[in-house]
Amino acid sequence: DQQVKQNSPSLSVQEGRISILNCDYTNSMFDYFLWYKKYPAEGPTFLISISSIKDKNEDGRFTVFLNKSAKHLSLHIVPSQPGDSAVYFCAALNYGGSQGNLIFGKGTKLSVKP
Amino acid sequence: DAGVIQSPRHEVTEMGQEVTLRCKPISGHDYLFWYRQTMMRGLELLIYFNNNVPIDDSGMPEDRFSAKMPNASFSTLKIQPSEPRDSAVYFCASSWGQGVAEAFFGQGTRLTVV
Repeated sequence: DQQVKQNSPSLSVQEGRISILNCDYTNSMFDYFLWYKKYPAEGPTFLISISSIKDKNEDGRFTVFLNKSAKHLSLHIVPSQPGDSAVYFCAALNYGGSQGNLIFGKGTKLSVKP
Repeated sequence: DAGVIQSPRHEVTEMGQEVTLRCKPISGHDYLFWYRQTMMRGLELLIYFNNNVPIDDSGMPEDRFSAKMPNASFSTLKIQPSEPRDSAVYFCASSWGQGVAEAFFGQGTRLTVV
């Protein structure tokens, strides 16, 4: 059973608008969450992260929100740009367990149209 | 540093043949991960090493898969014999061991088994 779920395989947004990518998790032991971005023919690259002791982390146009009670996090991109078009992976880590237990969702393909 | 380096970038092989994928992690990183990406299962962790020692190989699909890390700057993932269902993109990633650190991914090896 998937512990990290990204239920939307794809999302299309107009340039300049907000993109909201969602992620749900089932394991309450997860205490750190990360978002990765992946362009075709490249490896995923780290985008932004959040610790479970926080509910929001912001970095420029990117903000991640964490709702622990709902076991839900989201990535907001404002304003969206065509260069943001990529696959976005949500990942969760049980840091208390091991650095290596980084579990990924299946990804959401974001298309930002000019 | 040039980042995580994987070779080859593409591999096409016949069913039953042995396949070896190679990875050079970022210098100084003490965690190394092997992931496999497929449409059906997304990014799956196959195995990871800490200080060259395999820590968790529970994601390795079956005995046909093996991984080694003979030193801090090199790791291999071997499939013997290969099968068409092994076709996927295989990523290697590395990270620091201090604190929670994001993993840095290589560009991946696209494996096609015919």
